[in-house]
Amino acid sequence: GEDVEQSLFLSVREGDSSVINCTYTDSSSTYLYWYKQEPGAGLQLLTYIFSNMDMKQDQRLTVLLNKKDKHLSLRIADTQTGDSAIYFCAESLTGGGNKLTFGTGTQLKVEL
Amino acid sequence: DAMVIQNPRYQVTQFGKPVTLSCSQTLNHNVMYWYQQKSSQAPKLLFHYYDKDFNNEADTPDNFQSRRPNTSFCFLDIRSPGLGDAAMYLCATSRGGIDMQFFGPGTRLTVL
Repeated sequence: GEDVEQSLFLSVREGDSSVINCTYTDSSSTYLYWYKQEPGAGLQLLTYIFSNMDMKQDQRLTVLLNKKDKHLSLRIADTQTGDSAIYFCAESLTGGGNKLTFGTGTQLKVEL
Repeated sequence: DAMVIQNPRYQVTQFGKPVTLSCSQTLNHNVMYWYQQKSSQAPKLLFHYYDKDFNNEADTPDNFQSRRPNTSFCFLDIRSPGLGDAAMYLCATSRGGIDMQFFGPGTRLTVL
């Protein structure tokens, strides 16, 4: 099946690190993505990781992939108020064509 | 800047009155997608075009149709909108295959 799950809410203080977690069930995932959605806006692609990688770092963002446990995480260092948004993980599947399966989304709130 | 454009950003229609949403792209991507996103939910793929080939998701209602007259433009037609069709409609593009998708800002549809 294609279930992608995330916790619904995360609250952090400005300057702290945020870690948003995602679990998926389909082991044939090829790419895994993180998208950011601000209120009333479309989805902004933040970063992605290929399924044969364990980690990817891009400035303040670090993606960790544990393929054995089907667990993906996004760490945001030095979280700022502008990082407040909903974060979706998504997977694309081998043989799944162009279809992305999105997680349920995690609302990140950054407090001063 | 190359981008994905959606017009209008906000659309109000009456119950049962046909409505068309528009998407255009300057990325020259092969694939264009339409997603429906209801409040507090993940985006749900309705259908996509790979060049001129139309791919409908199995659970997309017949009420939803799409047209892609050329590479740059793709339209979503809702023949008889119901109250349950009120949502954000997101257009996305990708170069092709399993490739990252870039989203437009969305059109928020209200059905009265």
